[in-house]
Amino acid sequence: KQEVTQIPAALSVPEGENLVLNCSFTDSAIYNLQWFRQDPGKGLTSLLLIQSSQREQTSGRLNASLDKSSGRSTLYIAASQPGDSATYLCAVRGTDKLIFGTGTRLQVFP
Amino acid sequence: GAGVSQSPRYKVAKRGQDVALRCDPISGHVSLFWYQQALGQGPEFLTYFQNEAQLDKSGLPSDRFFAERPEGSVSTLKIQRTQQEDSAVYLCASSLRGGDRGRKNIQYFGAGTRLSVL
Repeated sequence: KQEVTQIPAALSVPEGENLVLNCSFTDSAIYNLQWFRQDPGKGLTSLLLIQSSQREQTSGRLNASLDKSSGRSTLYIAASQPGDSATYLCAVRGTDKLIFGTGTRLQVFP
Repeated sequence: GAGVSQSPRYKVAKRGQDVALRCDPISGHVSLFWYQQALGQGPEFLTYFQNEAQLDKSGLPSDRFFAERPEGSVSTLKIQRTQQEDSAVYLCASSLRGGDRGRKNIQYFGAGTRLSVL
């Protein structure tokens, strides 16, 4: 059974720091891995999707890498801003459904 | 519409009451998913539709939960005889294609329905 773990569970940093959020999964037979952002009381916003054949994806200040064989992904946030404060979720897709981690709650203070 | 729309946004139910939650996926999207998110947890899969066909309902926690998508667009998640443990945010997601090609697609999520059972 696929299990997804995210560390750290919570992170509080000053503005401007570069951050690394970690995601690990137990079964490497995945189609893709998706990173989401969730603001309090809101739905999920897709940030990056990495297909199983890819190693990384970039969007603006965000970069996500995937090492399928070791069951790991990292989300790198450059030059963090207070507006980045949210919960970040990773999810892997084995067949049709997504299997989520429990998230990293990020707070960036001015 | 431009995104996935869910209604109502908030629902308070008395224990034992039946509720119906609605999802309007992005127009033309073949696949539709329901997830349940408990407080402080990641979403957990409930059920999946490809057009009007319910292909996977393995995540539905009990036979009190029922979902349908009769015309392959709007979907309704119904919970009968609600219990306190049903309190959660119910998220709907859609993606463009189905089947093997669809597994490479991004899933787009709605804002969710927050259900509180008293």
